[in-house]
Amino acid sequence: SQTIHQWPATLVQPVGSPLSLECTVEGTSNPNLYWYRQAAGRGLQLLFYSVGIGQISSEVPQNLSASRPQDRQFILSSKKLLLSDSGFYLCAWTLTGAGQNYGYTFGSGTRLTVV
Amino acid sequence: DAKTTQPNSMESNEEEPVHLPCNHSTISGTDYIHWYRQLPSQGPEYVIHGLTSNVNNRMASLAIAEDRKSSTLILHRATLRDAAVYYCILRDVAGGGSNYKLTFGKGTLLTVNP
Repeated sequence: SQTIHQWPATLVQPVGSPLSLECTVEGTSNPNLYWYRQAAGRGLQLLFYSVGIGQISSEVPQNLSASRPQDRQFILSSKKLLLSDSGFYLCAWTLTGAGQNYGYTFGSGTRLTVV
Repeated sequence: DAKTTQPNSMESNEEEPVHLPCNHSTISGTDYIHWYRQLPSQGPEYVIHGLTSNVNNRMASLAIAEDRKSSTLILHRATLRDAAVYYCILRDVAGGGSNYKLTFGKGTLLTVNP
């Protein structure tokens, strides 16, 4: 069966420090991968998605970047965190194909607090 | 993704049925109707999806209007564990860039009273 792993579960980082969040998927191949962020009391905002190794699409300009070094690994990074980067970060995966419909599976999330 | 409209909040009593409405008047022929829910401090969870016909699974039922411009998620017997934000989302499977993204709106906050 397919599983998605996301870590760490919680993180407290000082302003200006770097960030690296990792997400891995098991039990499938060539998934589409996604990073979402949910600020406190707000909705889910799509940050990045990837349809293949090295292919990254950014949805909103921001202080973050994403990379996909392997088929089932998705990394969210920042060189210098801002207070506004605080939030609940969620990784998700799905399969796609023309005319095919699949659900999305989300990880358990990382709660990031920038202090 | 095409736009959906949901009530901001709804309230239900435990063990009673809940009908969560969603309007999607601009739905296209290749849009699937997806429902997800997000429990407090957790990631969203897939609930159900459908295209034209009503759908049932162990979690819920999805009733789709004949013109597909609206749908209703039905929880047959609400429990306290069903308290969550419920999102109705249209997913285009026609291919291309829009097929790659799942865009969440504000959803409906369901409160279940004991």
